Amino acid sequence: DSGVTQTPKHLITATGQRVTLRCSPRSGDLSVYWYQQSLDQGLQFLIQYYNGEERAKGNILERFSAQQFPDLHSELNLSSLELGDSALYFCASSGGQGPAYEQYFGPGTRLTVT
Amino acid sequence: GIQVEQSPPDLILQEGANSTLRCNFSDSVNNLQWFHQNPWGQLINLFYIPSGTKQNGRLSATTVATERYSLLYISSSQTTDSGVYFCAVRNTGRRALTFGSGTRLQVQP
Repeated sequence: DSGVTQTPKHLITATGQRVTLRCSPRSGDLSVYWYQQSLDQGLQFLIQYYNGEERAKGNILERFSAQQFPDLHSELNLSSLELGDSALYFCASSGGQGPAYEQYFGPGTRLTVT
Repeated sequence: GIQVEQSPPDLILQEGANSTLRCNFSDSVNNLQWFHQNPWGQLINLFYIPSGTKQNGRLSATTVATERYSLLYISSSQTTDSGVYFCAVRNTGRRALTFGSGTRLQVQP
């Protein structure tokens, strides 16, 4: 158990809908990262927050957004869903934002868009 | 950006065999992590090893930072070792980990 929690574990929804994925980092970790794993693109970085502030964006679509709350949990919002958004979404956390900090991954949320 | 190549892409072993997985990266790194993704999709941290050698039970890893590669050794493999092994790296120019495409390992009884 990495200490990072994600809910829900599975999500099935229809095209055009909006969903929210939730992540709680390890106790004391200030950095939260979101990654997407799809069959054709592999594991890709989406966005990073550090202590409530957005720090970096990766390959995140404009239809997607995220935030980190004062209690450090984070939510990833996916809207106007398309079939191609079906993927495994991981949240990771680390103690700091520098490159040398080890990242710990949650169990993931498997999103299926039908 | 930094490139990460893993080899071999696929590996089939009999239970009890040993194996070596390789990760090559194109630039200097501050962070290198090995993960095991089990058949249920969970990413499990194996090693944080930007340089040097570490061992954990039947698994060990070595990173030669100056030559830009890392090796993951699995000894006396078990069926529970099956899954995909990912190498991921990060340096000061990047905000997040860059993953390789993985090595898919199947251990047969």
